[in-house]
Amino acid sequence: DGGITQSPKYLFRKEGQNVTLSCEQNLNHDAMYWYRQDPGQGLRLIYYSQIVNDFQKGDIAEGYSVSREKKESFPLTVTSAQKNPTAFYLCASSIGTGNSPLHFGNGTRLTVT
Amino acid sequence: GNSVTQMEGPVTLSEEAFLTINCTYTATGYPSLFWYVQYPGEGLQLLLKATKADDKGSNKGFEATYRKETTSFHLEKGSVQVSDSAVYFCALSEDTGRRALTFGSGTRLQVQP
Repeated sequence: DGGITQSPKYLFRKEGQNVTLSCEQNLNHDAMYWYRQDPGQGLRLIYYSQIVNDFQKGDIAEGYSVSREKKESFPLTVTSAQKNPTAFYLCASSIGTGNSPLHFGNGTRLTVT
Repeated sequence: GNSVTQMEGPVTLSEEAFLTINCTYTATGYPSLFWYVQYPGEGLQLLLKATKADDKGSNKGFEATYRKETTSFHLEKGSVQVSDSAVYFCALSEDTGRRALTFGSGTRLQVQP
């Protein structure tokens, strides 16, 4: 079955450490996205990539970095510069046209203490 | 810029009651509109979509009509079940540029037996 796999489901880190969240898709989608979800705030776009080897900042990119070396993979690094990193992170992909819906992974809950 | 406003929750209903969750939007251009559903601890699943004015999206007994004149996309269901308990997100897609989704803050629905 095609889908998006995020790992791990839960992640714990100490303040000051960088951490990388994995996102892999086998849907052959060109576009991939990272969203952050906080209680009562909906989803906010961190980074997106419409094609391999290219990515763009979303609305809240500060303190995050990404890479897109393969079509299937779009890892997100939460750096120590991110002031409030504890959140639920969702990866998504789409065909990339204007009307195409996003397909989401099951998310990674990151807790930084 | 684009924005989506949803009614605040939680919405608590008895089984078989009628459901309405209000959603209004602000957008330039001609966005597509979506409803997503999120069950506890999971990612988002597409529930329904509409791509142009007066389109009606429907799925699993849920319906929503794209109303350009009132910039609304209210979600309705005639008879809710306990299994419908979840968080519902209204979203719009940008028809140009980054083609990401802009989400509302989500509405939690609790259905009691």
